[in-house]
Amino acid sequence: DTGVSQNPRHKITKRGQNVTFRCDPISEHNRLYWYRQTLGQGPEFLTYFQNEAQLEKSRLLSDRFSAERPKGSFSTLEIQRTEQGDSAMYLCASSSQKNEETQYFGPGTRLLVL
Amino acid sequence: GEDVEQSLFLSVREGDSSVINCTYTDSSSTYLYWYKQEPGAGLQLLTYIFSNMDMKQDQRLTVLLNKKDKHLSLRIADTQTGDSAIYFCAETGFIAGNNRKLIWGLGTSLAVNP
Repeated sequence: DTGVSQNPRHKITKRGQNVTFRCDPISEHNRLYWYRQTLGQGPEFLTYFQNEAQLEKSRLLSDRFSAERPKGSFSTLEIQRTEQGDSAMYLCASSSQKNEETQYFGPGTRLLVL
Repeated sequence: GEDVEQSLFLSVREGDSSVINCTYTDSSSTYLYWYKQEPGAGLQLLTYIFSNMDMKQDQRLTVLLNKKDKHLSLRIADTQTGDSAIYFCAETGFIAGNNRKLIWGLGTSLAVNP
């Protein structure tokens, strides 16, 4: 079990560009969460998948944000037309059906929008 | 609403005990968590407590839960310089039935002085 992995670890982009992040959960974890963390803040919930179904989206997730988990394994988070306010650490977590109370986090993708 | 509050800073001497406090608002939370985040690193689950428990001990860590006052604390015995990090308190917020997102505090920055 290699843990939750996220790629890339860092991304610098210009305002207006699109970016896509990937999360690979712990194998056999059917639940996957995306959070966003800005400097000096705790993480904020963005969206949740159970298998391939996206069951919840926060109001923080504007129309420019889209997340997918097409085969119920890895997930992608895309931000279109990035804004400087999107600069943050994007965290992915996963949990299993048997042990759903425990979310394991990846190292995060740090996004800087110039 | 859902809200988690923590003091922002704590400074202790190496070898002393550290106590980090947290208050939460959602009385329906079934689990309460302590996560540790070191600089540039992801979130590491330290421990969690089920809401029908008053105390949980795990090696140097002791979690106390006062459900009446909605108060959670984390005690670290014999604090070491390696314990210097940000400690986040989190409670469960329900989405899509039994599935849980985490509601986070802002984090307590623990500084351990030699």
